[in-house]
This record gives sequence, structure tokens and C-alpha cells, in this order.
Amino acid sequence: AQSVTQLDSQVPVFEEAPVELRCNYSSSVSVYLFWYVQYPNQGLQLLLKYLSGSTLVKGINGFEAEFNKSQTSFHLRKPSVHISDTAEYFCAVRDSWGKLQFGAGTQVVVTP
Amino acid sequence: KAGVTQTPRYLIKTRGQQVTLSCSPISGHRSVSWYQQTPGQGLQFLFEYFSETQRNKGNFPGRFSGRQFSNSRSEMNVSTLELGDSALYLCASSSETGASYGYTFGSGTRLTVV
Repeated sequence: AQSVTQLDSQVPVFEEAPVELRCNYSSSVSVYLFWYVQYPNQGLQLLLKYLSGSTLVKGINGFEAEFNKSQTSFHLRKPSVHISDTAEYFCAVRDSWGKLQFGAGTQVVVTP
Repeated sequence: KAGVTQTPRYLIKTRGQQVTLSCSPISGHRSVSWYQQTPGQGLQFLFEYFSETQRNKGNFPGRFSGRQFSNSRSEMNVSTLELGDSALYLCASSSETGASYGYTFGSGTRLTVV
């Protein structure tokens, strides 16, 4: 069975500093991996996805993630955050039945 | 193109009542999934419909049900509401072909049971 572990529940970061959100997955089949962002009182917005091919995936708003099969990780990074990046971030894996398994989420708090 | 539309955005119901939530997927998407989000349990899969057939089901009691219409719009119903059903209910429509594969979520319906 597939599962997702987000290693940090909360990440405080200063504006213009880099941020990395860690995600590890377990899967016995080919993986499709996703990062979503959720702003207060909103749904989930797709940041990026890995389906196949290049292990470095670029997404919206300057985010990127690297798929590492040997370490079963899919960490999300941004080189310089803005106040507007304050939100909750979810890593997800598509399981063999076609449904998404989500991690518990990482709350990013950006301060000036 | 238009995104995923969920109605209503907010709902307050009394214990024991039933509720119906609606989701209109992106045009051309035939798969609609429903998720429940709560602070304690996080995001949990409810069920998925594809071409009017339930394709997947999560571990929720039978009080939670859904259906999909021929135009791919989906509804979920919760009967005999309990306080613990208070949650954000999210709907996602998905494209299952090629590079466009992915799940697009609506803004959700916030259900409060009092």
C-alpha cells in the first residue's frame, strides 16, 4: 500500500530565504507524485507533479521538486519565499487504485 | 477553461439531518473524486466516480454516498448527520490521459453540523 510522510508539520521561514519541505513516500508500484498548496478557506491548488521523465520538476510560483527513487523522496523547494507563500502544503501519491494518498501537511509561515 | 465548481460553499446543518453537496468537474473530465478534510484526520478519500460508476470507495460508513450524472456532475449525500461530519469536503476532477494527467480540486464545501 502507498503512503506519504511529510516530515515537518510546521516550517517557519523569513521572507526571501529558501525553504525545503520534505516528503517521503512508500510505494510498490510506479509512482505519480504531487504537491498541492492550500490557502486559508480554499481548496487545493496543484503546484507540480511527477509522472515520469526528468527527476527535477518545475512548478508554479517558483517551486520545484526532485524525485529521488532510491531515497523514496519528493522534496519541495523554493529559493526565495514571499509572504504570500504562507499556506499549508500537501504531498500526495497516486495509489494503484487511482486515488490520492495525502501526507499530513506542512504549514509554512513566512515572516518579514 | 472553467475550474471545478462546488456548491454550496458553506452549509450549517443540525444533527440527524441529511445534506447533499454538488460538484461540477472541468469540461471533458470523466472522473470525480471526493475527499473529507478535518484537522484531526487530514485529507481522507471518500469515493470516486467515473462515467457514472463508482470506481473506488474509502473507509467511510454507508451514511456517505454519492452518484454521478451523465454530464459528469457529481453529488455526495450524507444522511443522519453527526457532529463529527463537520469538515471541508473537497471534490477533484481528473484527466487520465498523457501529460495532462492530474487532479484539479474545487474550493470545497464547508459543512458545519450543530
